[in-house]
Amino acid sequence: KQEVTQIPAALSVPEGENLVLNCSFTDSAIYNLQWFRQDPGKGLTSLLLIQSSQREQTSGRLNASLDKSSGRSTLYIAASQPGDSATYLCAVPSGNTPLVFGKGTRLSVIA
Amino acid sequence: DGGITQSPKYLFRKEGQNVTLSCEQNLNHDAMYWYRQDPGQGLRLIYYSQIVNDFQKGDIAEGYSVSREKKESFPLTVTSAQKNPTAFYLCASSIQGPYGYTFGSGTRLTVV
Repeated sequence: KQEVTQIPAALSVPEGENLVLNCSFTDSAIYNLQWFRQDPGKGLTSLLLIQSSQREQTSGRLNASLDKSSGRSTLYIAASQPGDSATYLCAVPSGNTPLVFGKGTRLSVIA
Repeated sequence: DGGITQSPKYLFRKEGQNVTLSCEQNLNHDAMYWYRQDPGQGLRLIYYSQIVNDFQKGDIAEGYSVSREKKESFPLTVTSAQKNPTAFYLCASSIQGPYGYTFGSGTRLTVV
């Protein structure tokens, strides 16, 4: 059964710092990986979707990489801002079943 | 604009009552999903449906029921058999295949 782990569980950084969030998964037979952002009490907003054939995907200050063989993905946030404060979740499909989620990394960017 | 609408945003349930959470999408997506989110637990799958009139149990289906009579709608009923229903419920949809999911804004259910 697919298991997804996100490290660290929480992170606090000063504004302007570059940071990396980590995601690992146990079953490498995935066809994509999706990163989401969740603000308190809100739904999930999709940030990046990486197909299994891709190594990385970029959107603005966000860059996500995927190493399927080692079961790892990273989300890189450049020049962090207070508005980036949120919980970041990664999720992978497990075979033909729906997305399996990590527990998330709660990010605080201090002005 | 296309999207997923969940209603109500907040819902209160008395002990022993059944309540139904609404989820509607106008994205023409084939598949729809219900997840439950508890503090520190991440999202757990309750039910999903890949086609109209068909659905499958997820990891925590006990105490819940669903229907999929229309492509656009996938309501979730929290029955009295669900002993700890207080949680944040999220609905999502996707196109079949290796495509991303779109989520609604969630319903917060509280037992009073």
